[in-house]
Amino acid sequence: SAVISQKPSRDICQRGTSLTIQCQVDSQVTMMFWYRQQPGQSLTLIATANQGSEATYESGFVIDKFPISRPNLTFSTLTVSNMSPEDSSIYLCSVTGQGGYEQYFGPGTRLTVT
Amino acid sequence: GNSVTQMEGPVTLSEEAFLTINCTYTATGYPSLFWYVQYPGEGLQLLLKATKADDKGSNKGFEATYRKETTSFHLEKGSVQVSDSAVYFCALSYQGAQKLVFGQGTRLTINP
Repeated sequence: SAVISQKPSRDICQRGTSLTIQCQVDSQVTMMFWYRQQPGQSLTLIATANQGSEATYESGFVIDKFPISRPNLTFSTLTVSNMSPEDSSIYLCSVTGQGGYEQYFGPGTRLTVT
Repeated sequence: GNSVTQMEGPVTLSEEAFLTINCTYTATGYPSLFWYVQYPGEGLQLLLKATKADDKGSNKGFEATYRKETTSFHLEKGSVQVSDSAVYFCALSYQGAQKLVFGQGTRLTINP
């Protein structure tokens, strides 16, 4: 499986500010995804990061709040904009496995908004 | 729509006990099924998978069988260890791996 890293691993931010989370993969992958895991909850897909085109957002998530970049096949960023305490979550990126059925996840970024 | 329902937690067992975590799903078509594990303070790790009916996924002593007739994918382990303490997520994928739907997670605690 691919090795996935995320930066930062955790951060504490003030409300109203923005944070950009980076996701790096050690091999080229077609599909990259961003998820949110609110405290004590399951994972919710935010968007699919497409290389060379705009990200595809799930219902309830919008580009102005969660802009995503995908400049190449090994890297993506997710920005959490104009943060509020409700944005406190773990944000995870994932990639599709070689089998084409499964996804592999990065270690996550734990964000706390005060 | 597609959804996954897991047995509610938390689940607390003694070391060497038998484990079952129930998972049922609703899906159109033929999804692939997964169990992921999240150890404290870490991201998700793929524990095992099954891509078609009657497939059995297995890893680290854990097993789960894809039962289409009962739309279930229950996780089992014959003898749990303290190191198995984690949150376990059942999930299904459709549209290849482009859409992954998770259950609510089951927190498992194993006492020595």
